[in-house]
Amino acid sequence: DTAVSQTPKYLVTQMGNDKSIKCEQNLGHDTMYWYKQDSKKFLKIMFSYNNKELIINETVPNRFSPKSPDKAHLNLHINSLELGDSAVYFCASSHVYGGSYEQYFGPGTRLTVT
Amino acid sequence: GENVEQHPSTLSVQEGDSAVIKCTYSDSASNYFPWYKQELGKGPQLIIDIRSNVGEKKDQRIAVTLNKTAKHFSLHITETQPEDSAVYFCAASIRGKSTFGDGTTLTVKP
Repeated sequence: DTAVSQTPKYLVTQMGNDKSIKCEQNLGHDTMYWYKQDSKKFLKIMFSYNNKELIINETVPNRFSPKSPDKAHLNLHINSLELGDSAVYFCASSHVYGGSYEQYFGPGTRLTVT
Repeated sequence: GENVEQHPSTLSVQEGDSAVIKCTYSDSASNYFPWYKQELGKGPQLIIDIRSNVGEKKDQRIAVTLNKTAKHFSLHITETQPEDSAVYFCAASIRGKSTFGDGTTLTVKP
């Protein structure tokens, strides 16, 4: 009965590879997010989707491409991975248009680029 | 865009003492201010939040205060316990977009 789930939990890959992280929420929320948390624990928003539409796109390299096949899923694809992409990536969801802004976070995906 | 500053970056207290973490924000349009607790190896979890039409909110040992005029808000934890040790994040939100502070690592010493 996990609310927000992410796969994989750990991802180790080499520079130049392409990888994807998947996220699913079973809360019926209308909005989903991707955050990046670096080694200093700083949490920065990357993207937000509402009902499959991109509504927030922060200054993120275009090697990062989010995809939302339906409002319960938001995947993150990363092309040509670089060392600086190593971080923990969190997916989150909320019911923004229902007036509740509380965000529920997934357990995170620790990406290590070697 | 919104800018959120959080202080202190680290805080160490004795069990039973109180802990206070402060945040300031820049965008007066922000109307929702959540606080998240992140334990090691887990995602952030909401512990308390406050909306811009409220000045104070309390939930057992934790409370949050908001001063809209000064654009600052604070988290207060009373009677701290070792299990309160974690990283705490404040955030300022507008229309569902949250800008997070840089986090405070709280250590409660038994």
